Amino acid sequence: GIQVEQSPPDLILQEGANSTLRCNFSDSVNNLQWFHQNPWGQLINLFYIPSGTKQNGRLSATTVATERYSLLYISSSQTTDSGVYFCALNSGNTPLVFGKGTRLSVIA
Amino acid sequence: GAVVSQHPSRVICKSGTSVKIECRSLDFQATTMFWYRQFPKQSLMLMATSNEGSKATYEQGVEKDKFLINHASLTLSTLTVTSAHPEDSSFYICSPDRGETQYFGPGTRLLVL
Repeated sequence: GIQVEQSPPDLILQEGANSTLRCNFSDSVNNLQWFHQNPWGQLINLFYIPSGTKQNGRLSATTVATERYSLLYISSSQTTDSGVYFCALNSGNTPLVFGKGTRLSVIA
Repeated sequence: GAVVSQHPSRVICKSGTSVKIECRSLDFQATTMFWYRQFPKQSLMLMATSNEGSKATYEQGVEKDKFLINHASLTLSTLTVTSAHPEDSSFYICSPDRGETQYFGPGTRLLVL
């Protein structure tokens, strides 16, 4: 099946800093999403982005499908951005496969 | 976004008992429901996919007789962990299929003593 690799596994940021999270995948995709899991476990959908670029406030994402990677940008990070960021994707009509996530801690 | 509820949010039970987890999609109907399990500091692992009115499809390594899934209606699916053991302690999350964008319930934290 399709493989998903996220980096870095852990990241500590000072409040106000910017960061880039990466998701590499092994096959062509027809669905790629980024999620944020808050400290209470709730998963929030950030972007549906199988290709192209999207922005939502301080967050933006880019997927280069031909090169099999996606990037999530967080600008001016805040302590509320802390949590785990997951990339999840599929190829064909199959359930999403999740990466191992990037654990982000933003300190004041 | 879609509204998905799970009940209970957390449960502690004795080894050998059964626990039922309910998942409801409150503002849309879902023919398909995904159930995931997440161990501490790990990623989400798909356990099973259920379709309303038919039997669930389980992922490799997930015992279908231990994790009973009922998807009786388009807004309700239940996961029953039968004869729970400490190794079943985990965070269980449902996700009704809504097409491209996937939404998740808030999760149920199960602790088996």
